[in-house]
Formats: sequence, structure tokens, C-alpha cells
Amino acid sequence: DVKVTQSSRYLVKRTGEKVFLECVQDMDHENMFWYRQDPGLGLRLIYFSYDVKMKEKGDIPEGYSVSREKKERFSLILESASTNQTSMYLCASSLQGRAHEQYFGPGTRLTVT
Amino acid sequence: KQEVTQIPAALSVPEGENLVLNCSFTDSAIYNLQWFRQDPGKGLTSLLLIQSSQREQTSGRLNASLDKSSGRSTLYIAASQPGDSATYLCAGGATNKLIFGTGTLLAVQP
Repeated sequence: DVKVTQSSRYLVKRTGEKVFLECVQDMDHENMFWYRQDPGLGLRLIYFSYDVKMKEKGDIPEGYSVSREKKERFSLILESASTNQTSMYLCASSLQGRAHEQYFGPGTRLTVT
Repeated sequence: KQEVTQIPAALSVPEGENLVLNCSFTDSAIYNLQWFRQDPGKGLTSLLLIQSSQREQTSGRLNASLDKSSGRSTLYIAASQPGDSATYLCAGGATNKLIFGTGTLLAVQP
């Protein structure tokens, strides 16, 4: 079975802090994704990576950056956390190409106070 | 730009009933359509993936269909159980990236 894990289930940070969210997949998938999920807005893509050190902006990249130094690990970075970044963050992975299923991690509920 | 809509937003049914969840999309160039289940506060669990060359997929009590010409997909759940209570999301895309609907919250009453 594909397994996607995220470093924390719950996280509370203060405004202005630098925040790292980590995602690891164990199925040698080329593609990895970061989404945020908010009530009434659904899932929105923040960033996408299709290979090591390769990244592409999604629909809402402002205020975020990403890092993919190894194939299995994709990190989301909030350089200076703000209260409007309080959300559920979901990581996903898939094989390369457009025909493949996306598999999701358990999510990280981030609260910025 | 692809838009995905799910109707109804919420649905409550008695246990044992067969039900259909609907998903509409605006761009017929969609390449695949994926259905997910999400329990409260949890991540998404993939249920079924239908590729554009397919018309339906089945897994246990679940059957999903895809009609690209009409821009619609349906998820059929047979003999619903209280354990099926969750939010069901559909997502489609023409590339690696998926566009998600906002989901249908299903409650199956015992």
C-alpha cells in the first residue's frame, strides 16, 4: 500500500514564525503536491513538484515556498506565518503522468495565533 | 478553466438505501476523474479512479461512472451503512493536477 506521512497532525505557531511542514512518501512517486483545505473553498493547490528540485506554482503560492531535495520528501515552508494561513494542509503523491491516482497523507491542522 | 461542482452539498439517508452522488465538470478535456472519501479532520482516501477511456469503475458496493460528453460523473453507493458517513469529494484534471469539488457530506442514519 502507498503510504504518505506528514510530520505533524496538529501544529500551533505564532504570527511571524517560520514553519516547516514535511511530507514523505514511500512508493517512489515522481509527483508530490501540497494543498490547503478551508471550509467553503475546498482543496486548493499551493505547489506541485514533478521531480527532485523541480517545482511549479499552484493556484495559491503566495506566502509559501517548497523544497524537494530527495524524491521521497516534499517540504512546505511558511516563511513568516500569518493568521490567514490557519488551515488544514494536505500532502499528496502520484506516479508521473496524468493518468495516475493521487494518494493523500493524514493532513496537518495548522493554527497561527 | 476547469470547475468541478458537487450536488447536493449534504445528504441524509436511512441505512440500507442505495444512493447517488453527483459531480459536474466544465471542461470535457478532463483526463481522469477521481472519487475520494474524507472523514472529519482526516486526509483523503482514494475510492475510485476513472480514466477518460473508461466509462465506469467498481469497487465493492461502490460504482463510479464518467460521461465526458455531458460533463458528469456519479458515485453510486449500494446498501448504505452508517460507516459510509463521510464527505465525498470528486476531482478531475487534464494534467497531473486535479481540480476538486467542494464535496457532499453524507450521513447514513442507523
